[in-house]
Amino acid sequence: EADIYQTPRYLVIGTGKKITLECSQTMGHDKMYWYQQDPGMELHLIHYSYGVNSTEKGDLSSESTVSRIRTEHFPLTLESARPSHTSQYLCASSDAVLSTKSEETQYFGPGTRLLVL
Amino acid sequence: KNQVEQSPQSLIILEGKNCTLQCNYTVSPFSNLRWYKQDTGRGPVSLTIMTFSENTKSNGRYTATLDADTKQSSLHITASQLSDSASYICVVSDRGSTLGRLYFGRGTQLTVWP
Repeated sequence: EADIYQTPRYLVIGTGKKITLECSQTMGHDKMYWYQQDPGMELHLIHYSYGVNSTEKGDLSSESTVSRIRTEHFPLTLESARPSHTSQYLCASSDAVLSTKSEETQYFGPGTRLLVL
Repeated sequence: KNQVEQSPQSLIILEGKNCTLQCNYTVSPFSNLRWYKQDTGRGPVSLTIMTFSENTKSNGRYTATLDADTKQSSLHITASQLSDSASYICVVSDRGSTLGRLYFGRGTQLTVWP
């Protein structure tokens, strides 16, 4: 089991609410990622970070924002949730040193299942 | 267009039987290929990783093969167990960027029945 945690595991909220999905890892990894996954579909990268104060948008356009103030923490925020945001959100981390050797492995958290009514 | 296609989409087998899952990719350039297992409601967990020069790798009852020429990979599960019921995701990484971008398949949903 990887030491990467996500809270909450499940969230049901109304349209227009602001929410923050938490992700933390205790492995000291520099690289962290947020993915969105719909049932039966592939993971889509929405945000990533190389380290503290580094954040980048991924492949899938997202109305969410992220921050990386501490190495171990990479929260994702939706300012105004909409039903189209209903999905599973997966956080992952990897060791930036290993990534240069083409054997980088991403460790995933358990995910947050979000339902926006 | 870089893509990863997996087949079958879903598979049901009886406990104790073997099965093979397929992955075809068009990702170029190629860095490595991973197989992940994702239990329902959980995040994916890495099973195997293979680079260009490797054509087979085992992890217990899981054996992955890679044919970089035909851009095909397979995951063979031996003597299946009920706990093998999960989605198996093929992930291919290119080496065209510093990020080492990952391309995900949609997964094969495996159900093992007693």
